[in-house]
Formats: sequence, C-alpha cells, structure tokens
Amino acid sequence: QIQLVQSGPELKKPGESVKISCKASGYTFTDYAMHWVKQAPGKGLKWMGWINTYTGKPTYADDFKGRFVFSLEASASTANLQISNLKNEDTATYFCARGLQWDYWGQGVMVTVSS
Amino acid sequence: DIQMTQTPSSMPASLGERVTISCRASQGISNYLNWYQQKPDGTIKPLIYYTSNLQSGVPSRFSGSGSGTDYSLTISSLEPEDFAMYYCQQYDSSPLTFGSGTKLEIK
Repeated sequence: QIQLVQSGPELKKPGESVKISCKASGYTFTDYAMHWVKQAPGKGLKWMGWINTYTGKPTYADDFKGRFVFSLEASASTANLQISNLKNEDTATYFCARGLQWDYWGQGVMVTVSS
Repeated sequence: DIQMTQTPSSMPASLGERVTISCRASQGISNYLNWYQQKPDGTIKPLIYYTSNLQSGVPSRFSGSGSGTDYSLTISSLEPEDFAMYYCQQYDSSPLTFGSGTKLEIK
C-alpha cells in the first residue's frame, strides 16, 4: 500500500538546523511531485512549495525562500526538508503530501524551536 | 495570491444531520479545489479532489460541488468520526492556498 512515512519529532535551539524526511513506498517515487505544508500550533495549513521528484527541481513559496531547502534521495524514495538558522516561528508540524491528487500525506513532523 | 474564505469557522451539529461547509476563492479557480479532514491527533485525510471527486476509501456521505469562485463540501448524515477540522485548498495557481478551516463540533 502507498505510504508516506516521516521522521520523528525534533527539538532544536534557535540558530540550529534541522532535516526532516519523508519516505515514500508503494508507488514509483519519481512519478509524483512532493509538496511540503506547514502547520503552526493551533493554526491552519500553509503551503511551503514542492519538489519535482523526477528532475529534483524545487519551487518555494515566497515565505519559504532562503532558509528552507527541499531535496531528494531518489534511490531511497525519500524527500527531505532542511531548515537552517531556526527561529522560534519555525515551531510547527511539517507535512509532506503527494502531488497531483494530493491523495497521500505523511503523518507530520513536529519541530520545536526553543532556547 | 488567491484568498480562500472558508465558512463557517465553527459549526455545532448533531449526529445524523446534513451539513455544508463553504469555500469562496478571491478569483476563479477552475474547479481546482480539494477538501481535507484533520483529526485532533493531527492526521490529515484527503476527502475530495478537483471539486467533486471522492478520494479512494472516502464514504459516499461526503460530496463536493461548486464552480468559479464558490465551492462546498456536504456531509449528508453526520457520523461520530466526522467531528473534526475541515480545510479547502485551491491548486489553480501558485502559491497554493488553504482556507482557514471549519471546526465541526458535536452539538
């Protein structure tokens, strides 16, 4: 069956970096884009951008340009999100979601930034 | 950016009731509209894609409709597991945007 399984929760200090992963299984990884979505505590969903899993080309929403990097380990059917120079406002749950029909989502990764 | 205005923000309802959640886009989105359910544990379940197409495994009591700028999600008869948050999302143009959510609560 098709699954997107994300890595575990992270606790980081301001200024540190974090890399979270989204491992896909049950389908051909390169056939579907991967999107990333942020949800701050108690807030709604915000689209961060997407990565073309065939070419590796990332596209970032304006609010996520600079400190955010989407990458792939295509041989492992894994998409990664790296956030550098973490800020308190990066505290959130981050979801990956399969593109086209947006039919599969990861379980989300809670990233907490606190000194 | 396309703004998605979702109403109501919360809705008390009873088991067996028929409910409708609305989503209005700030410009036409050509039916590129999805609906999601989010449970209190954070799990997101896709319900409907491209306005009216049920995702695999979604019960038939869920339905979607709309065109142009106005879209809606209807649950024909509420079951206990339906009390959750619901979000609409447009994917007509970048940046993709979500509605602010509707909390469906037990009356």
